[in-house]
Amino acid sequence: DQQVKQNSPSLSVQEGRISILNCDYTNSMFDYFLWYKKYPAEGPTFLISISSIKDKNEDGRFTVFLNKSAKHLSLHIVPSQPGDSAVYFCAASANYGGATNKLIFGTGTLLAVQP
Amino acid sequence: DAGITQSPRHKVTETGTPVTLRCHQTENHRYMYWYRQDPGHGLRLIHYSYGVKDTDKGEVSDGYSVSRSKTEDFLLTLESATSSQTSVYFCAISDLGQNNSPLHFGNGTRLTVT
Repeated sequence: DQQVKQNSPSLSVQEGRISILNCDYTNSMFDYFLWYKKYPAEGPTFLISISSIKDKNEDGRFTVFLNKSAKHLSLHIVPSQPGDSAVYFCAASANYGGATNKLIFGTGTLLAVQP
Repeated sequence: DAGITQSPRHKVTETGTPVTLRCHQTENHRYMYWYRQDPGHGLRLIHYSYGVKDTDKGEVSDGYSVSRSKTEDFLLTLESATSSQTSVYFCAISDLGQNNSPLHFGNGTRLTVT
């Protein structure tokens, strides 16, 4: 049972436009959400995160929005650049009291930014 | 890449043979993790460690064992490799076990079991 879902396997946008990547989750215990970016033959790289007490977090061109009632989060990239072309993973974790930080990942979305 | 080295980077092995993957970190982080990445599944946690000699299972631990005898090294062993264990394996580290502390990943080991 996939607790974190990325329903769009791929997305193509023009350079300079907005990229919107979506993620849905089912576990209401999740209280911390992250986005990772992955290039081929490299490990995932942390991009941006958001706590469940917030609904928005911004870092330069990247903004993550969280809608807890809908159990949905999205990553906005504005403006998109060709170097943003990569696989983006959404991840979530829950604080069950143990200090382990086990992340649950979605299946990823391949973003292609066309020059 | 946050001082994480995975070895080997690529390995081809035969069904039934034992395989050990190594993760070495220079960050002195307490927490270490092994994930596998497969198409249609994203990354799934195999095992993790919260200190020297302290390890626990993740969501896909069957067929795998781990050991951590030093802070800097976390070993993943496939006792008897199967074709279903063909995957890309990623090691990750974290300095805090809190869930607001991002994991930092190595560059992965691509394992093929024939």
